[in-house]
Amino acid sequence: DAGVIQSPRHEVTEMGQEVTLRCKPISGHNSLFWYRQTMMRGLELLIYFNNNVPIDDSGMPEDRFSAKMPNASFSTLKIQPSEPRDSAVYFCASSDAVLGAPSYNEQFFGPGTRLTVL
Amino acid sequence: AQKVTQAQTEISVVEKEDVTLDCVYETRDTTYYLFWYKQPPSGELVFLIRRNSFDEQNEISGRYSWNFQKSTSSFNFTITASQVVDSAVYFCALSENNFNKFYFGSGTKLNVKP
Repeated sequence: DAGVIQSPRHEVTEMGQEVTLRCKPISGHNSLFWYRQTMMRGLELLIYFNNNVPIDDSGMPEDRFSAKMPNASFSTLKIQPSEPRDSAVYFCASSDAVLGAPSYNEQFFGPGTRLTVL
Repeated sequence: AQKVTQAQTEISVVEKEDVTLDCVYETRDTTYYLFWYKQPPSGELVFLIRRNSFDEQNEISGRYSWNFQKSTSSFNFTITASQVVDSAVYFCALSENNFNKFYFGSGTKLNVKP
């Protein structure tokens, strides 16, 4: 079975441009997470979804960031307009956790998208 | 306050040495889960182990072992006879009894030199 799939793997863009990162979770998983990793701040949870519904977006840095999950097999993270400080590796992860239940299940991570904003 | 603290930013050892990576966590929940992940130079995070708060039995898997102590809120990871392939960043994470939201530590970079 394929793992979490992210695209693109690398993205280089110029400041002010719109960036869209894509994620396909593992089939059957009902929870999806977007993380950002930088040297300065480590791994930060941006947002997570359960059954396609955003549960907690308190980690989204500002209004320039938005995330959607139109169906169980696809999610996007959009940055508009992008800024150099958005340069980071963005990870998508999925799990089969159940909302409200003890959270025993590990998260499976995708390979990440390395974003560079010039 | 940090829920998961990995005080060791970077550790360097010579191959075949034993090394212990420390993880201290903070939670008020009685039911919680602890995880270790490995991030090799390729970048992907790989799940290593999970532990629930009711199981303090230490675990061994090959050269890897984990020591969970609730009394000190620690979940330490030991690699015995380290190898160059163990070089990676290792993350400890906590999941409390509300949802599958993980609190990650800042990671410990392990360098194993030949």
